[in-house]
Amino acid sequence: QKEVEQNSGPLSVPEGAIASLNCTYSDRVSQSFFWYRQYSGKSPELIMSIYSNGDKEDGRFTAQLNKASQYVSLLIRDSQPSDSATYLCAVNDNNNDMRFGAGTRLTVKP
Amino acid sequence: GAVVSQHPSRVICKSGTSVKIECRSLDFQATTMFWYRQFPKKSLMLMATSNEGSKATYEQGVEKDKFLINHASLTLSTLTVTSAHPEDSSFYICSARRLAETQYFGPGTRLLVL
Repeated sequence: QKEVEQNSGPLSVPEGAIASLNCTYSDRVSQSFFWYRQYSGKSPELIMSIYSNGDKEDGRFTAQLNKASQYVSLLIRDSQPSDSATYLCAVNDNNNDMRFGAGTRLTVKP
Repeated sequence: GAVVSQHPSRVICKSGTSVKIECRSLDFQATTMFWYRQFPKKSLMLMATSNEGSKATYEQGVEKDKFLINHASLTLSTLTVTSAHPEDSSFYICSARRLAETQYFGPGTRLLVL
């Protein structure tokens, strides 16, 4: 079983819609969760971090964490073509090393 | 967020030569640095973790004699690809972290071995 799983996509949404990206993880003791955005040919950049159950909002982005279900998601409201990228879910393992999912490719169509 | 730089951003070399890539944390002291490799349209693969002043810990399947990592100071780590071959061509990305805080990525180095 992979440690961090994401649907590889591609996920396609129209401009202005809500994009929903999902991630599950296997290590129950994980405490830190991250979403990174990676444009083609570039390195990942941090969008959000979340550490406790519930929602965390930052602008158009909302991260949601449910530790009981071992599930973390990222919602992007009012999606823009510039949001088109690969979104990586990352989870710190019990050694505090970050494990990445394979990423979900998002395309926002004008 | 914190700033991490990498140099060079792009390198082309002949097969059999060695290439050194530098990773620097510019505005914080990185107790731990990580080296990743990413092939086209594939996910990030962790190669090794290095803590300042100690030997790097390599992931399974990564040859430590081929990928030499040095983390000599709290702001600099280097990755040397020794005797590079075309199959080593990839996008190499470092990241840096202070204690147990968030990891920040460098911009990456694209290596092409001819």
